[in-house]
Amino acid sequence: QVQLVQSGAEVKKPGSSVKVSCKASGGAFRKYEISWVRQAPGHGLEWMGGIIPFPGVPQYAQKFQGRVTITADDPTSTVYMELSSLQSEDTAVYYCARRIGFSHSMFDLWGQGTLVTVSP
Amino acid sequence: DIQMTQSPSSLSASVGDRVTITCRASQSIGASLNWYQQKPGTAPKLLIYAASSLQSGVPSRLSGGGSGTDFTLTISGLQPEDFATYFCQQSYSSPWTFGQGTKVDIK
Repeated sequence: QVQLVQSGAEVKKPGSSVKVSCKASGGAFRKYEISWVRQAPGHGLEWMGGIIPFPGVPQYAQKFQGRVTITADDPTSTVYMELSSLQSEDTAVYYCARRIGFSHSMFDLWGQGTLVTVSP
Repeated sequence: DIQMTQSPSSLSASVGDRVTITCRASQSIGASLNWYQQKPGTAPKLLIYAASSLQSGVPSRLSGGGSGTDFTLTISGLQPEDFATYFCQQSYSSPWTFGQGTKVDIK
């Protein structure tokens, strides 16, 4: 059974960067897109971007363009999300999620979430 | 970007009640609409995809409907495990956007 396991919580200073990992186990890694969705405290869900591990071309939401980098490491079945120039409003739980489907896609599998806290 | 608006933002109900949550898209999205359930401290869980298709393992008391701009999630016979927050999400065009959520709590 496929699982997505994320790295642990992070505390960062304003202006710094954070890199969160998402490791897929138990199934095909290459052919499905892995997306990143964040949830700020008391807020809804916000899609940041995604990548199909092979060929590894990322897609980003315009809001995060230039500040987020999503990469995939095929040998370790791991996807990374790096967010730079962190501010307090970036404090959120960051989820990786598998997006499947073609004509009607959906996020059918989620990681457990990684809390990123941005504090002076 | 396509804006997704849910109503109500919260509701109180009792076990056994029938509840309906509405989701409206800012433009027509056909049937490209998914529903998720989220409980505190956990990741969202896919319930319904393509507006009305039940994800494997999801109980049949949940149902989805609608097309175009207006969609509904209905829970017929609310159970204790259904008290949670529900989100809609459009899969019509990137960026994939979510509604703000509807919290269902116990009356």
